[in-house]
Amino acid sequence: AQTVTQSQPEMSVQEAETVTLSCTYDTSESDYYLFWYKQPPSRQMILVIRQEAYKQQNATENRFSVNFQKAAKSFSLKISDSQLGDAAMYFCAYRSPQGGSEKLVFGKGMKLTVNP
Amino acid sequence: DTGVSQNPRHKITKRGQNVTFRCDPISEHNRLYWYRQTLGQGPEFLTYFQNEAQLEKSRLLSDRFSAERPKGSFSTLEIQRTEQGDSAMYLCASSRGSYNSPLHFGNGTRLTVT
Repeated sequence: AQTVTQSQPEMSVQEAETVTLSCTYDTSESDYYLFWYKQPPSRQMILVIRQEAYKQQNATENRFSVNFQKAAKSFSLKISDSQLGDAAMYFCAYRSPQGGSEKLVFGKGMKLTVNP
Repeated sequence: DTGVSQNPRHKITKRGQNVTFRCDPISEHNRLYWYRQTLGQGPEFLTYFQNEAQLEKSRLLSDRFSAERPKGSFSTLEIQRTEQGDSAMYLCASSRGSYNSPLHFGNGTRLTVT
């Protein structure tokens, strides 16, 4: 079974600084997708960034970028120029079309605090 | 895009009672998902619909749980004979039809079973 591990339950960063959130996953499949979702307090979960496993280039969305290491099964999220609005729970997630499942498998999440 | 809507936002019920939650997905999305999230955990997959067909169910979905999407639009999740262990946030999400399409989540329904 596929699993997603986020080993750091909490992190903090100073406003305008850079922070990296780690994620590892376990799978035997070759074709899959990885996602980072953000869940602000009392608000809905939204997609931050996604990565297709077949793409070697790391995905980037404005201040958010990933470091995808397929052989190491690692998928970290870097937030540059951190803003107060980045404070939230961050979830790493995995999905594979192989086997026909639509299931998105989430890690336990990591709470990010941004200090002014 | 008005977003995914879930009702009610909060539900408190006594053990043994039945509860029903509703989810209205984004109108052009044919895929609808239910997840359960307990404190300190990530969301766990419960079930998935493509249009009106329920195509996948998790082993977490016991016989007391049933979900429907009768016309391929809104969906309901019913829990019969609720137990204290059912207390959680129930999240609904919808998406278009490809594996790299993001899921759009609703605000969730928080269930407390006393």
